[in-house]
Amino acid sequence: NAGVMQNPRHLVRRRGQEARLRCSPVKGHSHVYWYRQLPEEGLKFMVYLQKENIIDESGMPKERFSAEFPKEGPSILRIQQVVRGDSAAYFCASSADRVGTEAFFGQGTRLTVV
Amino acid sequence: GENVEQHPSTLSVQEGDSAVIKCTYSDSASNYFPWYKQELGKRPQLIIDIRSNVGEKKDQRIAVTLNKTAKHFSLHITETQPEDSAVYFCAASNPGGGADGLTFGKGTHLIIQP
Repeated sequence: NAGVMQNPRHLVRRRGQEARLRCSPVKGHSHVYWYRQLPEEGLKFMVYLQKENIIDESGMPKERFSAEFPKEGPSILRIQQVVRGDSAAYFCASSADRVGTEAFFGQGTRLTVV
Repeated sequence: GENVEQHPSTLSVQEGDSAVIKCTYSDSASNYFPWYKQELGKRPQLIIDIRSNVGEKKDQRIAVTLNKTAKHFSLHITETQPEDSAVYFCAASNPGGGADGLTFGKGTHLIIQP
């Protein structure tokens, strides 16, 4: 019974390139959340998705960032034209119901922009 | 939206002593308050949670208290051990509110001195 799986674990991109981060939720979970963690800081909510729907993207930067959770396959967080300030750990979490039940986190993807 | 304040940012205690971490929240409609432990380089993991219909919950050496009137909740760790050293995050959630997803505090770095 695999938990939340994120890949890649580490991703290095040059400024201006695109970064794609993948998250496979716990089997049976239909709610996915993405968080960003800067060094020495807490977890900042970015976006909440259900299958094929973005429920809340209030924490997502308006430009260059997008997220999807298709009917089949993992959730994808996409960052276009990355800048140095995008360097962070990106965590995905999933839950069986809306938040109010336990959310399980993946191992995170550490994005480094050089 | 919800705002969660967490104190202290760093807490150093002698092994065997107790540790207390405190959080306040702003949205009186929030009704789910989990605590996560994050060891260096690892994913956040839920250690205990409490819902607004109870005032206290205990699990072995860990306990959480909730004061809804004052909008604050606390994590108590007794008989601390070296493996308790980590960053602890409190969070608040209002599943029916406008901004879904957990809102996290900035974290407390707990250091257990041998």
